[in-house]
Amino acid sequence: EAQVTQNPRYLITVTGKKLTVTCSQNMNHEYMSWYRQDPGLGLRQIYYSMNVEVTDKGDVPEGYKVSRKEKRNFPLILESPSPNQTSLYFCASALRTSGTDTQYFGPGTRLTVL
Amino acid sequence: RKEVEQDPGPFNVPEGATVAFNCTYSNSASQSFFWYRQDCRKEPKLLMSVYSSGNEDGRFTAQLNRASQYISLLIRDSKLSDSATYLCVVALDTGRRALTFGSGTRLQVQP
Repeated sequence: EAQVTQNPRYLITVTGKKLTVTCSQNMNHEYMSWYRQDPGLGLRQIYYSMNVEVTDKGDVPEGYKVSRKEKRNFPLILESPSPNQTSLYFCASALRTSGTDTQYFGPGTRLTVL
Repeated sequence: RKEVEQDPGPFNVPEGATVAFNCTYSNSASQSFFWYRQDCRKEPKLLMSVYSSGNEDGRFTAQLNRASQYISLLIRDSKLSDSATYLCVVALDTGRRALTFGSGTRLQVQP
């Protein structure tokens, strides 16, 4: 089944404790992206990747890191999480890096930073 | 001013009703337009793309007015299963492929 998977789905952690949220897609998509969703603000892009070893900042990259060592995986790293990073996170992928290909979203990761 | 603005609702309508959602966007360079549906904090899923000539998919009709920077979604014969949040989404057709989301309009269809 074609899908985007994220792990963990739920995470409660404390300020400053490094964490990684994994994202994996099995559709051989070139493009991958991370968004966060907060009430009243909609989804906002954190980082994106146009292909292996090619990543760039989105609208709200502060406090996050990403890597794209393999085409299928795009982990989101929070080196020192803070309470303002409490949010619902979505990973997305699309076949190509241009055009209007549909973006497919993972099921989301609900993160709480205490 | 938000880049994509939507009425948050909620819209409470009876089954069988016709309901319309509107959305405005601020970046005149936007090139791609979509409606996504999101159920109860699950992942957004593409409902339909929106084309300049307007397009229809079953009970759903989307319209785009580039001059007014306005997008609409019409749902006819509402079903209970249409209850969800509808997200208006625009994109610049650049490598960043960032989708700019509205905050969503919540629809509750009642029996």
